[in-house]
Amino acid sequence: DAGVTQSPTHLIKTRGQQVTLRCSPKSGHDTVSWYQQALGQGPQFIFQYYEEEERQRGNFPDRFSGHQFPNYSSELNVNALLLGDSALYLCASSWGQTYGYTFGSGTRLTVV
Amino acid sequence: QQQVKQSPQSLIVQKGGISIINCAYENTAFDYFPWYQQFPGKGPALLIAIRPDVSEKKEGRFTISFNKSAKQFSLHIMDSQPGDSATYFCAASGTGTASKLTFGTGTRLQVTL
Repeated sequence: DAGVTQSPTHLIKTRGQQVTLRCSPKSGHDTVSWYQQALGQGPQFIFQYYEEEERQRGNFPDRFSGHQFPNYSSELNVNALLLGDSALYLCASSWGQTYGYTFGSGTRLTVV
Repeated sequence: QQQVKQSPQSLIVQKGGISIINCAYENTAFDYFPWYQQFPGKGPALLIAIRPDVSEKKEGRFTISFNKSAKQFSLHIMDSQPGDSATYFCAASGTGTASKLTFGTGTRLQVTL
């Protein structure tokens, strides 16, 4: 049973560029949440998608946007990248907007 | 606004010893309190979780103690092993549209031989 799959695993982008990160949830899960984890910090909630709609959003600017597809997979888009966007981006899936989140291994984004 | 405070930032324990990590929360709407273990290059993995209707939950060598009135909870790792060396995060969440996880800042645990 595959867990949460994220791609790519590593990414280097230049300041000002745009990036798209992808997530496939664990089998049986229909809700996807995205978190940003800066080095040495705890993950910070970005937003959550359920039934193809953004249901909750953390304190992140509109440069961060997302999408959920009918097969429950999700994308995280970040526009106008800043150096401070360098972090590990984690995707977590669950069944419904409930507990029991399963995290992927993340995408390490470096902005230069 | 940090709603979950975690301490200590780092911890060194001898093999066989007890590791204790503490967390405190502010939001009384939280009703789910998980602990996650994270190894370098990996995502957080759920270790154990508790709801506020119980004061303690034990799974193997891992125990959560929960004090609702003090708004505090802690993780105890009994018989700590070198393989337990990792970063541990406490977290808290509400339900439904408030089900996002709010994480603590993490504790880096090192278990020495």
